[in-house]
Amino acid sequence: QVQLVQSGAEVKKPGASVKVSCKASGYAFTGYYIHWVRQAPGQGLEWVGHIFPNSGGTHYAQKFQGRVTLTRDTSISTAYMELTGLRSNDTAVYYCARGDTPVPFDSWGQGTLVTVSS
Amino acid sequence: SYELTQPPSVSVSPGQTARITCSGDAFPNQFAYWYQQKPGQAPVLIIYRVSLRSSGIPERFSGSGSGTTVTLTISGVQAEDEADYYCQSADSSGTYPVFGGGTKVTVL
Repeated sequence: QVQLVQSGAEVKKPGASVKVSCKASGYAFTGYYIHWVRQAPGQGLEWVGHIFPNSGGTHYAQKFQGRVTLTRDTSISTAYMELTGLRSNDTAVYYCARGDTPVPFDSWGQGTLVTVSS
Repeated sequence: SYELTQPPSVSVSPGQTARITCSGDAFPNQFAYWYQQKPGQAPVLIIYRVSLRSSGIPERFSGSGSGTTVTLTISGVQAEDEADYYCQSADSSGTYPVFGGGTKVTVL
């Protein structure tokens, strides 16, 4: 079955960077978008960006342009999200999710809590 | 950029019908999708392309659309349906996803 398994929780200081991984299994990794979505405590879902693993092509939400980089390693079916210049309001659960088109997202990872605190 | 507007909360008694609206200029040109999220869990896609149920989703969940508004209907609400519900669509190019703000459904 389709599985997306994310790396563990992170605690970072303001100004630092974080890199979260998302390992896919149970399907052809290169044929589906990997999206990144974040959810701040008590808040709604916010799309961060996506990567199409076959080509490596990316799109980012304007809000995160210049601070986020999505990459992938097709040899190990893993996608990565790196967010730089962390601030306290980046504290959130970050999810990866799969889709065969830009929308919708049919499978989700378990989420990775990123806490930014001095 | 496109925005999708949902009511923050809906309250319903067990066995009654809950309706959650989602309004935005993306509709009807772009499809609507609905996700259910229970506390501490990742979202689950329950409705796609406005009105199609994902595999394993009970028939009491249905979706519809009219003009710039789409609606998720939960008929015969059960206690287990208490959750946050998010609509989703995309911009005019279909490239950039957008979520509504979410609706908390409370079963009284």
